[in-house]
Amino acid sequence: GGIITQTPKFLIGQEGQKLTLKCQQNFNHDTMYWYRQDSGKGLRLIYYSITENDLQKGDLSEGYDASREKKSSFSLTVTSAQKNEMAVFLCASSPGQASDYTFGSGTRLLVI
Amino acid sequence: QQKVQQSPESLIVPEGGMASLNCTFSDRNSQYFWWYRQHSGEGPKALMSIFSNGDKKEGRFTAHLNKASLYVSLHIKDSQPSDSALYFCAVSMDYAQGLTFGLGTRVSVFP
Repeated sequence: GGIITQTPKFLIGQEGQKLTLKCQQNFNHDTMYWYRQDSGKGLRLIYYSITENDLQKGDLSEGYDASREKKSSFSLTVTSAQKNEMAVFLCASSPGQASDYTFGSGTRLLVI
Repeated sequence: QQKVQQSPESLIVPEGGMASLNCTFSDRNSQYFWWYRQHSGEGPKALMSIFSNGDKKEGRFTAHLNKASLYVSLHIKDSQPSDSALYFCAVSMDYAQGLTFGLGTRVSVFP
């Protein structure tokens, strides 16, 4: 079986800082996603990538950049962390063709 | 823009009882529907998918889809304490473009 790994598990940043979150999968899945989960707000799509070097914006892309330089990895950058921001960032992958997503266990972000 | 709404927000069910979760969506072009389950400290895991109108049963879980009514539901029979989790309804028009998730229903099963 495969695995999807997110690093770091916890991230504490300062206001205005640029922060990078990483995601690796060994399923050989084509499509990868970044979601943000806030308490009481469900999961909201930030960016997705259909294949290596492809990037598509989701509903919540403002304030974020993404990079998919290899099929197995997808990184997300918070371009300027907002004070008191607290959320969980979830990475997922899928082989496509209406298949299940496999999620990582998340990166928990706190900005002080 | 797709809107996915779930009810109730939370549900308390006795062990062995039935849990019923509801979900409505706004876009009639929606084609793919999932239920995901998330235990505390973990990422969501796919529970089941349903793409055609009607019922789909997998073990203790039954999903129901009515596209004309913009409605999908999940029923959990013989609920177990391990079923205590946050349940999300997720909807997509195009499988590649990302799922739209509801806010979730928190299910608590007490022994």
